[in-house]
Amino acid sequence: DGGITQSPKYLFRKEGQNVTLSCEQNLNHDAMYWYRQDPGQGLRLIYYSQIVNDFQKGDIAEGYSVSREKKESFPLTVTSAQKNPTAFYLCASSSDRPNWNNSPLHFGNGTRLTVT
Amino acid sequence: GQNIDQPTEMTATEGAIVQINCTYQTSGFNGLFWYQQHAGEAPTFLSYNVLDGLEEKGRFSSFLSRSKGYSYLLLKELQMKDSASYLCAVRPSGGSYIPTFGRGTSLIVHP
Repeated sequence: DGGITQSPKYLFRKEGQNVTLSCEQNLNHDAMYWYRQDPGQGLRLIYYSQIVNDFQKGDIAEGYSVSREKKESFPLTVTSAQKNPTAFYLCASSSDRPNWNNSPLHFGNGTRLTVT
Repeated sequence: GQNIDQPTEMTATEGAIVQINCTYQTSGFNGLFWYQQHAGEAPTFLSYNVLDGLEEKGRFSSFLSRSKGYSYLLLKELQMKDSASYLCAVRPSGGSYIPTFGRGTSLIVHP
């Protein structure tokens, strides 16, 4: 079955350490996204990529970095510069071809990151 | 920019009908999505509206009025498993076309 896999489900890190969250999809989707979800807040866009080797900052990109070397993979690095990294991180993908603008986002199951 | 409003929390009784509203203000509109999200899980796609009117899909229906910047999700014959957060997301026209999400409505279904 096609889908999006995020790993690990839970991640614990010490303050000051960089950490990379994995996101892999086998849906053959061109576009991939990273969102952050905090209690009482909507999903906020961190970064997105509409094609391999290209990505754009979202609304809250500071303290994060991404890469898109392969179509299937879009890892997110949470750096020590991110002031409040503890959150639930969701990766998503969507088709980006003709009639793509009604293509819904397909989400992974998320990674809950706790930084102490 | 975009502004999306949804009630924070709603409660309903098993077997009943509930309507979750979403109002939005956007400089350009290219569709509205509804997602369901159970606690700690991935949001799952429920519906998409781009034209005015009602879209029915089993127990769930979604309505859109573009002139009023308004949508609702209607859930019929509520079941306990419908207890979840319901996210409204608006896709802008032009630019990146990436949807902006509301804060979500937490629905609690009581027996």
